[in-house]
Amino acid sequence: AQSVTQLDSQVPVFEEAPVELRCNYSSSVSVYLFWYVQYPNQGLQLLLKYLSGSTLVKGINGFEAEFNKSQTSFHLRKPSVHISDTAEYFCAVSKSGGSYIPTFGRGTSLIVHP
Amino acid sequence: DAEITQSPRHKITETGRQVTLACHQTWNHNNMFWYRQDLGHGLRLIHYSYGVQDTNKGEVSDGYSVSRSNTEDLPLTLESAASSQTSVYFCASSEPGTGQETQYFGPGTRLLVL
Repeated sequence: AQSVTQLDSQVPVFEEAPVELRCNYSSSVSVYLFWYVQYPNQGLQLLLKYLSGSTLVKGINGFEAEFNKSQTSFHLRKPSVHISDTAEYFCAVSKSGGSYIPTFGRGTSLIVHP
Repeated sequence: DAEITQSPRHKITETGRQVTLACHQTWNHNNMFWYRQDLGHGLRLIHYSYGVQDTNKGEVSDGYSVSRSNTEDLPLTLESAASSQTSVYFCASSEPGTGQETQYFGPGTRLLVL
C-alpha cells in the first residue's frame, strides 16, 4: 500500500516570495505522483503529475515539482507566488500501471499575504 | 464542455434519515469515485466504480452505499445518517485508457447531520 505525508499543514508566505510545499511518499512499487489544488469552496483540480521520464515536472500557474526517488519526495515549488495562489494543496500517489486509485495526503494550506 | 456535477451543494439532515447525494458526469468516464473531506484527514475514499454494475468499497465505506446503473451517474446513499458523517463529499471520475490516472472532481456537497 502507498502512503503520503505532507510535512506542513500550513505555509504562510508573502506575495512574490518563493514557496516550497513538501511531500514524501512510501511505496514498495513504482508510483505515479500528483499535486492537486483546491480553491475555496471548489473541488480539486490537477496542478501537475509525474508518470515517468523527466523528474522535473512543470504544471499550471507556474508551479513545478521534482521527483526524487532516493528521497521518496515530490516537493512542489513556485519561484514567486501571487495572492491568487492561496489555496489548499494535496499531494497524491498511486501505484503505476495499477488501479489508478490515488492515496491523498492531508493537505497543505498555502496562505499568501500581501 | 464536459463536466462533473453534484447535487445538492448543501444539505442539512437529521440523524437516522436516509440521504442520497447525486453525482453526474458528462466525460463518459468509466471510473467514478466518492470521497469525504474532513479537516486533518485530507480526502478519504468511500466507494468507487470501474463501470456499469461495478461497485467497490473504499477506506471508509461503513454506512454508505452506491449503485451504478449507467455510465454518467454514481449516487451515494447514507443509509441512516449519523453526526460522524457530517463532512464535505466529493465525486470524481477518471478517463479510461491513457490519462486514466488523472481524476476530475465535482464541486462538492457540504452535508450537516444534526
